[in-house]
Amino acid sequence: AQSVAQPEDQVNVAEGNPLTVKCTYSVSGNPYLFWYVQYPNRGLQFLLKYITGDNLVKGSYGFEAEFNKSQTSFHLKKPSALVSDSALYFCAVRDRDKIIFGKGTRLHILP
Amino acid sequence: DAGITQSPRHKVTETGTPVTLRCHQTENHRYMYWYRQDPGHGLRLIHYSYGVKDTDKGEVSDGYSVSRSKTEDFLLTLESATSSQTSVYFCAIRGTSNHYEQYFGPGTRLTVT
Repeated sequence: AQSVAQPEDQVNVAEGNPLTVKCTYSVSGNPYLFWYVQYPNRGLQFLLKYITGDNLVKGSYGFEAEFNKSQTSFHLKKPSALVSDSALYFCAVRDRDKIIFGKGTRLHILP
Repeated sequence: DAGITQSPRHKVTETGTPVTLRCHQTENHRYMYWYRQDPGHGLRLIHYSYGVKDTDKGEVSDGYSVSRSKTEDFLLTLESATSSQTSVYFCAIRGTSNHYEQYFGPGTRLTVT
């Protein structure tokens, strides 16, 4: 079965510093990978996806993610963090007609 | 929220009572999904639908049933609510691309006392 793992429950980053939220995956075949963000009391918002092609994928709000096949990773990155980036982030992988989500990483951006 | 509404947005109910949550979409999407979100568990799939009257179970389907009699509506029913079903419930639709990303509704916070 397809799965993703987010090894960090929480990540703290100072405002203006680069941020990374980690995700590793386990799939059979070629992965379809996604990142979502959830702001307080809101539903999940789609940020970006990797299907095929360029290993660096750009998404909404200045986020990007790097697909690394040899390390089976799909880390979410942003060059300069904003306080407004503080939220819960989910990595996810397609499993046939479904999407399997990781447990989430809470990102705190410190002013 | 991709044209998805959920009702009610908040509900408090007693153990043993039936509860139905509604998800409504306006864009004729074929696939619809129900998830629950609990701390430490992320999102877990309850049931999903791939067309009118076509549904399948997810990871945590016990104690839940679903129905889809119209494309636009996907109902989640707790036949006899238990305290373990206290959670936030999200509905989602699959987007129109061939890449399987999903778009979520605003959620329903359910408390079973």
